[in-house]
Amino acid sequence: AAGVIQSPRHLIKEKRETATLKCYPIPRHDTVYWYQQGPGQDPQFLISFYEKMQSDKGSIPDRFSAQQFSDYHSELNMSSLELGDSALYFCASSSRLAGDYEQYFGPGTRLTVT
Amino acid sequence: ELKVEQNPLFLSMQEGKNYTIYCNYSTTSDRLYWYRQDPGKSLESLFVLLSNGAVKQEGRLMASLDTKARLSTLHITAAVHDLSATYFCAVDIHAGKSTFGDGTTLTVKP
Repeated sequence: AAGVIQSPRHLIKEKRETATLKCYPIPRHDTVYWYQQGPGQDPQFLISFYEKMQSDKGSIPDRFSAQQFSDYHSELNMSSLELGDSALYFCASSSRLAGDYEQYFGPGTRLTVT
Repeated sequence: ELKVEQNPLFLSMQEGKNYTIYCNYSTTSDRLYWYRQDPGKSLESLFVLLSNGAVKQEGRLMASLDTKARLSTLHITAAVHDLSATYFCAVDIHAGKSTFGDGTTLTVKP
């Protein structure tokens, strides 16, 4: 079965640079979620989209923005990167319209800021 | 603000033993999830619990939910080494915005 796809899997950036993370949800899933997990930490909810509209917002810094496109893929844009942004970034998807709120997680993007 | 507390945070078990991980949360919730995470890997969904009294079982793991007590448990029966991982509970107060507990790192020793 198709899973959530994230790219790139690994990314190394320098401070003050920008990064774009991509997420391709499971086909026919209408909701995408973004999470940040620092080393040894639990995942922190950043933002979610339902049917291409922002649905919920969590602890997402103002330097970050995200959107969901017409094909349902989503991108997380991160600017003015800081050392503390180094983390695993997970995307998850679900089929809210079908009443299935179970979130299926992608493999994650490991971002290292030097 | 929703708070989710797991305990214990670290658990070392002998193979063949039973143990329970607890997840308490502070406000009324729509649903509760249990996930497994291996080091450096993604989160694997184990259970989704939707209603009071819900009980789900998969292999050596069984999860239950008591919404009145705001408590979920993950019970491990006859632990085996392959169960070594970090287990997270997560709670939604409305659709899709999950708050995670700190995780329980389980080590099963022969």
